[in-house]
Amino acid sequence: AQKITQTQPGMFVQEKEAVTLDCTYDTSDQSYGLFWYKQPSSGEMIFLIYQGSYDEQNATEGRYSLNFQKARKSANLVISASQLGDSAMYFCAMIAQIIFGKGTRLHILP
Amino acid sequence: GAVVSQHPSRVICKSGTSVKIECRSLDFQATTMFWYRQFPKKSLMLMATSNEGSKATYEQGVEKDKFLINHASLTLSTLTVTSAHPEDSSFYICRGGRGSNTEAFFGQGTRLTVV
Repeated sequence: AQKITQTQPGMFVQEKEAVTLDCTYDTSDQSYGLFWYKQPSSGEMIFLIYQGSYDEQNATEGRYSLNFQKARKSANLVISASQLGDSAMYFCAMIAQIIFGKGTRLHILP
Repeated sequence: GAVVSQHPSRVICKSGTSVKIECRSLDFQATTMFWYRQFPKKSLMLMATSNEGSKATYEQGVEKDKFLINHASLTLSTLTVTSAHPEDSSFYICRGGRGSNTEAFFGQGTRLTVV
């Protein structure tokens, strides 16, 4: 069975601070991919970053980086220098079969 | 579970060259292969659908001469980005299906960077 776990239903972070959103997964598949999506109040799902299970280097996309620890089966999202616009719901997702975690609501405080 | 192996995971190429991306279904026969492209901060965009042994069906706006898809066998489909340009830089991902449209398995994706 495949499973995604996000243990932080809500977080409050001061603007300009870095924040780490946790994600752990469980799968018996040898090859898989891990995604992070952002969902603002408008509702659309915005792709942030991707990590393949065979990638040796952690993925980075601008202020987003993915701390991929394969042995621990964790794929935490790190947002550096958070901004007010980062306030949103964040989802971790895994493929080969798309399975979403329950999401983490991030609040950026001015 | 069923596995679709996609290679390479990352590729950097010079403008004007062609790049081939392979997707292999390792333990099942992928009668249908879907190819997607993901633009920054946007959803996956379906580029084309191919069935083994026949020509791919391209979505509107996707250049078939630019993105050549071959699905010659039940276990292998390829996407060739011809004469790549920097605007072709993107994340490409395949999804192999067997029979039912609801049962399909993603490859790991390919990050293409054209310089």
